[in-house]
Amino acid sequence: DQQVKQNSPSLSVQEGRISILNCDYTNSMFDYFLWYKKYPAEGPTFLISISSIKDKNEDGRFTVFLNKSAKHLSLHIVPSQPGDSAVYFCAALYRNRDDKIIFGKGTRLHILP
Amino acid sequence: NAGVMQNPRHLVRRRGQEARLRCSPMKGHSHVYWYRQLPEEGLKFMVYLQKENIIDESGMPKERFSAEFPKEGPSILRIQQVVRGDSAAYFCASSPVAASGTQYFGPGTRLLVL
Repeated sequence: DQQVKQNSPSLSVQEGRISILNCDYTNSMFDYFLWYKKYPAEGPTFLISISSIKDKNEDGRFTVFLNKSAKHLSLHIVPSQPGDSAVYFCAALYRNRDDKIIFGKGTRLHILP
Repeated sequence: NAGVMQNPRHLVRRRGQEARLRCSPMKGHSHVYWYRQLPEEGLKFMVYLQKENIIDESGMPKERFSAEFPKEGPSILRIQQVVRGDSAAYFCASSPVAASGTQYFGPGTRLLVL
């Protein structure tokens, strides 16, 4: 049972435009959400996170939006750069219970020149 | 400040052999997590350890898999009598405190079972 879902396996975006990666979750107990970026042959790198008490968190070109009622979050990257081409994993956990991070299957982002 | 270290980066084993994967957490981190990524899948939690203690092993197969994090030295993920289905990337992560929400990942060990 996939508790964190990334329905788009891949996404192509023109350099300079906005990239929007989407994620849905089913477990309403999750209280913390993260985005990780992964290059081939490397481990995931933490990108940005958001607590369930917030609906937006911004860090430079990266913004994460959380819609708790829809159990949906999204990562916006603007402007998109060539180095943003990677696989992006949406992840969630229930911090008061355990540290087990539940990952989505990932979305491969291609930034086109 | 070195990040999470894993070795070997690549490991080839024949069916029935043992695989030992090592993870050295970041300096000052006493919480270690192991995840497995099968091809075309996301990372799946296997086990969470603190020094000398297994806190949560709910994601680890009951047979052939074991993990430890001794007082001295790296954390070890051990797979006995490997099968082809064990072929995957195994990632270790560490964090300085529990329930911090942020885990730092190593580069992974890619296990190939022939």
